[in-house]
Parts: sequence; structure tokens; C-alpha cells
Amino acid sequence: QLQLQESGPGLVKPSETLSLTCTVSGGSISSSSYYWGWIRQPPGKGLEWIGSIYYSGSTYYNPSLKSRVTISVDTSKNQFSLKLSSVTAADTAVYYCASFLKGVPWLVYARYFDYWGQGTLVTVSS
Amino acid sequence: DIVMTQTPLSSPVTLGQPASISCRSSQSLVHSDGNTYLSWLQQRPGQPPRLLIYKISNRFSGVPDRFSGSGAGTDFTLKISRVEAEDVGVYYCMQATHLWTFGQGTKVEIK
Repeated sequence: QLQLQESGPGLVKPSETLSLTCTVSGGSISSSSYYWGWIRQPPGKGLEWIGSIYYSGSTYYNPSLKSRVTISVDTSKNQFSLKLSSVTAADTAVYYCASFLKGVPWLVYARYFDYWGQGTLVTVSS
Repeated sequence: DIVMTQTPLSSPVTLGQPASISCRSSQSLVHSDGNTYLSWLQQRPGQPPRLLIYKISNRFSGVPDRFSGSGAGTDFTLKISRVEAEDVGVYYCMQATHLWTFGQGTKVEIK
């Protein structure tokens, strides 16, 4: 069973860049069965998909955030990372990383988020 | 962009009674491979989301059979046959046919 853990600063100043890392254990980030995603949740609000990455480096971003988001993968460390630039108070949220199962031999077409990290609160404030 | 609209946004339910949540997408969720990638997730207070249902009606591992999903195209429903205290939380539909989009969430609480 996969386990995911977010890490990074809990406080970021306005206009700066938010940087988070997700460490994957219990499986390989280079698995062809998975995409890896970032999702956020502002306090008291709903879930917002930020973006996803495949081990090959292919990325997919939420159009509303695309100009500010970069997601990368480090297969040597079994990690993937999120950078969100020019942050404002509206970017204050709990940030989750999650595994997205693309498919496996016994379920060729899956496409769902099966495992999530516990989430990390990032506050944007001076 | 796909917009996912859930109704109701809040659902007070008596223990042991059924609950139903609807989710409508702004366009068809049928993928070019013929599958419909509509999932339901549960988020209990203070917890990360947890997968309940994938591809409209398939229960994920360990999910009780009182949870069921149905629908097609643009209209989907999550049903809880008999609500238990542990079912309190917020439920989200999510599409993964055209990138990824979540619904706004429906809060299930006990009357």
C-alpha cells in the first residue's frame, strides 16, 4: 500500500513561491501505473485539483493556476514537488499530494485517486 | 473546463435512513476509451479525502456495501442506504475524464 507525505514550509510571504515535496513510500514513483497529483483545500472550503505528473515528466495543470504552477518529479528520491509562484492570501490552504491509479493489468482502465497524504497547511502571510 | 455541480450542498439525515447526493457535469464524462471516470470521495472532519466509488459504481477496497453509485453521461448519484454515525462528513464527486475536477462538496450530518 502506498504512503504519501507532504513536507515544506507552513508559512510563505505574499508574492513569494510556495514549495512543497511529496515523498512516496511503499511503491515506486516510476511505476507506469500511476500519475501523481497535488490538490488543495482552502480553510472551510472544497477541493481544488492543482496539477498532476507522470514519472516520465509529463505534466497536467489546472488552467486557472497554470501560469503559476510547476510540478516536477525526482525518481532518485521517490518524490514529486510543487512550486506555486506569486502567492497571495487566496493560496492559503491545506495542500494534499495523492496517487492517481491509471491502470493495472487486472484493471486496465482505472483513473482514480486511491491514496492521499495527510495534508499540510500552508499559510500565506507577511 | 468541466464544471461539477453537486446537490444538495447540505444533507441532514436521521441515523438509519437513506441519503442521496447528485452530481451533474457540464459535459459528458464518457472517455474516448468508452469508460466514464466519475469517482466519489468522503472526507471526514480533520481527515484527508478517501475514495469510496470509482467509474460510477465500483466500490473501492474496504468500502461498506451501504454505499452505491449510479448514473451515466452527465448525471450521477451517490446513495447511502442506511446512514451511520461514521458517515458524517463531506462527499465530493470528481471527474477524471477531462483532466480532473471536483464538485463543491455535500455535507452529510446527523439530524
